[in-house]
Amino acid sequence: DQQVKQNSPSLSVQEGRISILNCDYTNSMFDYFLWYKKYPAEGPTFLISISSIKDKNEDGRFTVFLNKSAKHLSLHIVPSQPGDSAVYFCAASAGSGNTPLVFGKGTRLSVIA
Amino acid sequence: GAVVSQHPSWVICKSGTSVKIECRSLDFQATTMFWYRQFPKQSLMLMATSNEGSKATYEQGVEKDKFLINHASLTLSTLTVTSAHPEDSSFYICSASKSTGGYEQYFGPGTRLTVT
Repeated sequence: DQQVKQNSPSLSVQEGRISILNCDYTNSMFDYFLWYKKYPAEGPTFLISISSIKDKNEDGRFTVFLNKSAKHLSLHIVPSQPGDSAVYFCAASAGSGNTPLVFGKGTRLSVIA
Repeated sequence: GAVVSQHPSWVICKSGTSVKIECRSLDFQATTMFWYRQFPKQSLMLMATSNEGSKATYEQGVEKDKFLINHASLTLSTLTVTSAHPEDSSFYICSASKSTGGYEQYFGPGTRLTVT
């Protein structure tokens, strides 16, 4: 039973356009959500997060939106750059930093110049 | 910063031998560290949660006698793959959360293990 779902395994976007990566979750106990970026043969890099008490968090080109009623979150990257090409993982937590994160399967983003 | 290192970055070993992988938090203390495994084109699979000074908590299906975890200090956790077999070949990644709190986990660069 997958508690965090990223239904799009891949996404291609032209440079300069907006990239929208989606994530759905089923566990209503999740109260903190994170996005990680991963290049091949490297560990994931923390990108941005959002608490369940918020519906939006912005950091530079990256914005995460949370819709609790729909159990859905999305990561927007504007403008997209070729260096953004990577696999993006959505993760959720139902506890503190001592609780394992639950990861989605990832979405491979390709930004085409 | 929150930097996590892993050593070695890649290792090749013969079937039947043991391999130790180190995970270090370089600029923060980590009460809890996590070990993951990633198969090609798949997501991160949590293997175990490692707490400093206590026994690790293993996920269902992960053999604790095969994957020995030690978290002897607030900056170091080790994963030892004992009696390695070719099916243990994988990308192993650790992460750490700060003892000061926060939900974020900071990942190491990963270790590529190949068992021949």
